[in-house]
Amino acid sequence: EPEVTQTPSHQVTQMGQEVILRCVPISNHLYFYWYRQILGQKVEFLVSFYNNEISEKSEIFDDQFSVERPDGSNFTLKIRSTKLEDSAMYFCASNSDQGNGYTFGSGTRLTVV
Amino acid sequence: GESVGLHLPTLSVQEGDNSIINCAYSNSASDYFIWYKQESGKGPQFIIDIRSNMDKRQGQRVTVLLNKTVKHLSLQIAATQPGDSAVYFCAETAGNQFYFGTGTSLTVIP
Repeated sequence: EPEVTQTPSHQVTQMGQEVILRCVPISNHLYFYWYRQILGQKVEFLVSFYNNEISEKSEIFDDQFSVERPDGSNFTLKIRSTKLEDSAMYFCASNSDQGNGYTFGSGTRLTVV
Repeated sequence: GESVGLHLPTLSVQEGDNSIINCAYSNSASDYFIWYKQESGKGPQFIIDIRSNMDKRQGQRVTVLLNKTVKHLSLQIAATQPGDSAVYFCAETAGNQFYFGTGTSLTVIP
């Protein structure tokens, strides 16, 4: 069964550093998403991406964040100048049709120290 | 903003019994709903979905019921198994992004 692959599974970074979280969506999917889940809290939408541009973003997704699809397979989330409160699980998701459910990756656990 | 919440944060059931997990949503414009299962350390896994033009949908051992009048969604799991132990989220959308509830932790007692 096709999977969304995320790397690394766990990233530890010092406060103020930049991190890039990587995702390989399912190959025939057209819509890509990043969500985050702070420990013990609900999954929160960050951003959606379609046709090489952001289609929607939440209030969380401020100038500290950016997304990119650098080639035909990867979809990245960059977090600049990380803060302690950025520590969370970050999930990438994709789907082939905006009106359908997503396939989520297993997530990257980001720990900012 | 939208509010999606769950009535019970935890649920314990005996193996073999049926489980019912409930969810309330506040956005009357939401037209698509999904139940996800999340096991520890893993991403949300799609279980079943339902669109607002339906009030019931069945899958393998799972049934989702939608009551748009009271903005309530439920997930029924038949013959619950130990492998069903996980956190279950409902998610709703009126467009592109999904709004997730806080989750109900289901524990199946052998």
